[in-house]
Amino acid sequence: QKEVEQDPGPLSVPEGAIVSLNCTYSNSAFQYFMWYRQYSRKGPELLMYTYSSGNKEDGRFTAQVDKSSKYISLFIRDSQPSDSATYLCAMSEGMKTSYDKVIFGPGTSLSVIP
Amino acid sequence: NAGVTQTPKFQVLKTGQSMTLQCAQDMNHNSMYWYRQDPGMGLRLIYYSASEGTTDKGEVPNGYNVSRLNKREFSLRLESAAPSQTSVYFCASSVLGSYEQYFGPGTRLTVT
Repeated sequence: QKEVEQDPGPLSVPEGAIVSLNCTYSNSAFQYFMWYRQYSRKGPELLMYTYSSGNKEDGRFTAQVDKSSKYISLFIRDSQPSDSATYLCAMSEGMKTSYDKVIFGPGTSLSVIP
Repeated sequence: NAGVTQTPKFQVLKTGQSMTLQCAQDMNHNSMYWYRQDPGMGLRLIYYSASEGTTDKGEVPNGYNVSRLNKREFSLRLESAAPSQTSVYFCASSVLGSYEQYFGPGTRLTVT
C-alpha cells in the first residue's frame, strides 16, 4: 500500500461546479497536510496547508482533514477554467530539527470546461 | 526575485552520458531538494540538503550525486545516464525544517 493515495483522474467539470479532490493516507503520524497546484509544464506551488484535523478556508478553496479516517479533501467552489491543473496532496509528520520529510500524492488532473 | 531557477529546461541524453542539472534559489533558504516526477508516481525525493555543507539521500538516490555548492546552489549529477532516469526533475527549497517548499520550473530529461 502506498503511503499516500490519490485518484489520478482526469476529472472534468463544467465552469461553476463544486469540485472535490481527495487523498487517503496510511501514516497516522502525519500532522501537516498540504495541497499543491501544478499547471502543465510548471513546478508545483503551495495552495493551502492545514495542521491536524479540521477545516481551513481561503477564498473559493476549502481544505478539510479527517485524521480519524486518514482522509483529506480539497473543495473548490465556483470552479473556473483557470483552476485547470493537477492537484497534489502532500503530508508531513511535523517540523524537525533539520529535515521535515514531505510525502506527495501522485496528483489528480482537473479540467474545468467553460 | 526569481525564486527557484533550474537549467537546462530540456535535455536529451544517450545511455551512458553524464550531465549536471543546476538549481539556484534567491530566497535565502537553508534547505534544498531534488525530486523526480513520473506519471502515477508522484514526486519522489532523490537527495536533499538540510543546510549548506550537508547532503543526504532521499527515497531514490541510486544513479545520482549532488553538490551543495553554496547556500544558493544545489546541483544534481547523473554520472552514467540510463533510460530509467527519463523523468521530469524538480528542485525545491525551504526554510530549515519547514514543510513549505518552493519549486523550480523543472528539467525534462529524456535518456535514449
